[in-house]
Amino acid sequence: GNSVTQMEGPVTLSEEAFLTINCTYTATGYPSLFWYVQYPGEGLQLLLKATKADDKGSNKGFEATYRKETTSFHLEKGSVQVSDSAVYFCALRYGGATNKLIFGTGTLLAVQP
Amino acid sequence: EAGVAQSPRYKIIEKRQSVAFWCNPISGHATLYWYQQILGQGPKLLIQFQNNGVVDDSQLPKDRFSAERLKGVDSTLKIQPAKLEDSAVYLCASSYNPGGNEKLFFGSGTQLSVL
Repeated sequence: GNSVTQMEGPVTLSEEAFLTINCTYTATGYPSLFWYVQYPGEGLQLLLKATKADDKGSNKGFEATYRKETTSFHLEKGSVQVSDSAVYFCALRYGGATNKLIFGTGTLLAVQP
Repeated sequence: EAGVAQSPRYKIIEKRQSVAFWCNPISGHATLYWYQQILGQGPKLLIQFQNNGVVDDSQLPKDRFSAERLKGVDSTLKIQPAKLEDSAVYLCASSYNPGGNEKLFFGSGTQLSVL
C-alpha cells in the first residue's frame, strides 16, 4: 500500500546549522509529494510540494527534490532559525479525483539560539 | 482571509460518553476533510466531503463515528460512544477543489481526551 516513512525526532540543532529531515515513500503510480509544517498551537500548513520526478519544491529557504529512483523527498535548509522550530510532516497524495493525503509520523525540530 | 475554524479547542470526556466537533471551512471551499491525529502519528483521513456529499469514508469507524455537512458548508463530527483509543486531535481541512494541485487549509484542531 501507499505509505510515508520519515526520520524520527526530535532533531535538535543550533541556529544557522544545516537541516536534513529524511522522507521516503512507497506508492503505486506517481504520487505528488508534500512537506507540511505545524508550528506550536497552529494548524498544519503546506510548506512545499513537488508533483513529478525531479521537481524541486522550495519555500522559506527550505527545499526538497522528488527522487523517483530512491523514492525519497528529503527536506533541507541551509541555515535554520529559532523560528523554524516546529513539527514537519512528509506526505503523499494519490488518486486523481481526491485529495487524499498519506502523512508520515512527523519530525519535531527544535532550534536553539 | 479567515481560516478554517474549529471548536471546541479542547474536550475531555469519559469513555462511553458522546462528543461532537464543529468545523467551519474557508468560504467557497467545496471540499472538506476530517483527519484524526493520534499522538506520535501523522494525521489519518476519516472522511472527505464534496459539497454535502461523501467522497471517501473508508477509514471512518462507522459503528461509532458519524459526520455530516449540511448545506455544504459547516460540518460536525460525532463520536458515540467514545473509547479510550479515540483520544487524539481531530483536524478539519478544506480546499476549493478535490484534485489537481489544490492546497489544503487546516484548522487548529480539537484535542480530545477520553478518560
